[in-house]
Amino acid sequence: AQSVSQHNHHVILSEAASLELGCNYSYGGTVNLFWYVQYPGQHLQLLLKYFSGDPLVKGIKGFEAEFIKSKFSFNLRKPSVQWSDTAEYFCAVSPIQGAQKLVFGQGTRLTINP
Amino acid sequence: DAGITQSPRHKVTETGTPVTLRCHQTENHRYMYWYRQDPGHGLRLIHYSYGVKDTDKGEVSDGYSVSRSKTEDFLLTLESATSSQTSVYFCAISTSGTGPSETQYFGPGTRLLVL
Repeated sequence: AQSVSQHNHHVILSEAASLELGCNYSYGGTVNLFWYVQYPGQHLQLLLKYFSGDPLVKGIKGFEAEFIKSKFSFNLRKPSVQWSDTAEYFCAVSPIQGAQKLVFGQGTRLTINP
Repeated sequence: DAGITQSPRHKVTETGTPVTLRCHQTENHRYMYWYRQDPGHGLRLIHYSYGVKDTDKGEVSDGYSVSRSKTEDFLLTLESATSSQTSVYFCAISTSGTGPSETQYFGPGTRLLVL
């Protein structure tokens, strides 16, 4: 069975700090990888996704993620965070075949202090 | 917001009561999904549909049933609600289900409290 682990449950940073959120997955096959964000009181929005090709993926709002196959990791990064990045971040995987049945990590709550 | 609405947005019910949540889309997408979100668990897939009358189970389907009689509507039913089903329920849609261009779009969620 697939599983996704996000090691940081709550991260607190100051504005302009650099961000890296960890995501590791377990699955016996090829997967597609996603990062979603949920701003307070809002629904989930896709930040970025990896399907194939360049393992460094760029998403919206200055976020990027790197897929390291040997480590089963897909960490999210941003060089300089803003107060508006305060949100909950979810890593997810799905098998490449069939329906896109997403398996999510537990989520990381990010608080940015002004 | 990808044309997804969920109703009701909030519901309080009692244990043993049947509850139906509705997801409605205006995009004519083929795939629809129901997830539940709980603290410490992220989102977990309950059921999904890949067409009218075509549905399948997800990770946490026990205690839930679904129906899709029209492309635009996907209903989630709790036949006899239990306190463990207190959660936030999200519907999602996608065009074809898989492939590099595929993205799931999520609805605003339904907050359900079972007393």
